[in-house]
Amino acid sequence: QSVLTQPPSVSGAPGQRVTISCTGSSSNIGAGYDVHWYQQLPGTAPKLLIYANMNRPSGVPDRFSGSNSGTSASLAITGLQAEDEADYYCQSYDSSLSGSVFGGGTKLTVL
Amino acid sequence: QLQLQESGPGLVKPSETLSLTCTVSGGSISSSSYYWGWIRQPPGKGLEWIGSIYYSGSTYYNPSLKSRVTLSVDTSKNQFSLKLSSVTAADTAVYYCARVVVVVSSRFDPWGQGTLVTVSS
Repeated sequence: QSVLTQPPSVSGAPGQRVTISCTGSSSNIGAGYDVHWYQQLPGTAPKLLIYANMNRPSGVPDRFSGSNSGTSASLAITGLQAEDEADYYCQSYDSSLSGSVFGGGTKLTVL
Repeated sequence: QLQLQESGPGLVKPSETLSLTCTVSGGSISSSSYYWGWIRQPPGKGLEWIGSIYYSGSTYYNPSLKSRVTLSVDTSKNQFSLKLSSVTAADTAVYYCARVVVVVSSRFDPWGQGTLVTVSS
């Protein structure tokens, strides 16, 4: 049971827009702690995709965007491409646990 | 370009201690701006933060693993290490090391390629 809750899977056709939610609580996202998103392509290590809620590291396409509201965060991917098929994880800080916490991960399938 | 590489035994017996080392290249582990961390991922499952260490030796651990985890750093070799004691099959996972950008909510970037550690007799 992860502290941050993500849907196990989402899917979309090429060119479409999909969103992945990350639901937390008052001790993490709701307390204002930043949310980061990682993309894990099959058989590879996770890669930072979005940091501090909405910022993209250099090299990440602007098709990827992040947002927060209350105790939840979301990752949006527009113009879906086959290469986006991967697992996506959200991560934040939890004051009750005094450490970093991850969501359970969401598998994105491009139809 | 900063790179991290995990190394260590791929097979550990139950009740023994898992030991891994992360070698940092392309940058100094003694940078005042960063911590250095370990994250693991059981096969087919999600990510779990294990702990993080500063070059001075200051550490913070996941409370659920704290009693079994020891992190250390060797600045002369630009390496940091993980020891996890009394392992069981539940500790079988890919273990990643990563640089930790320490802000209010730390983030991990970049990551090593990961190393699979299997706990089995």
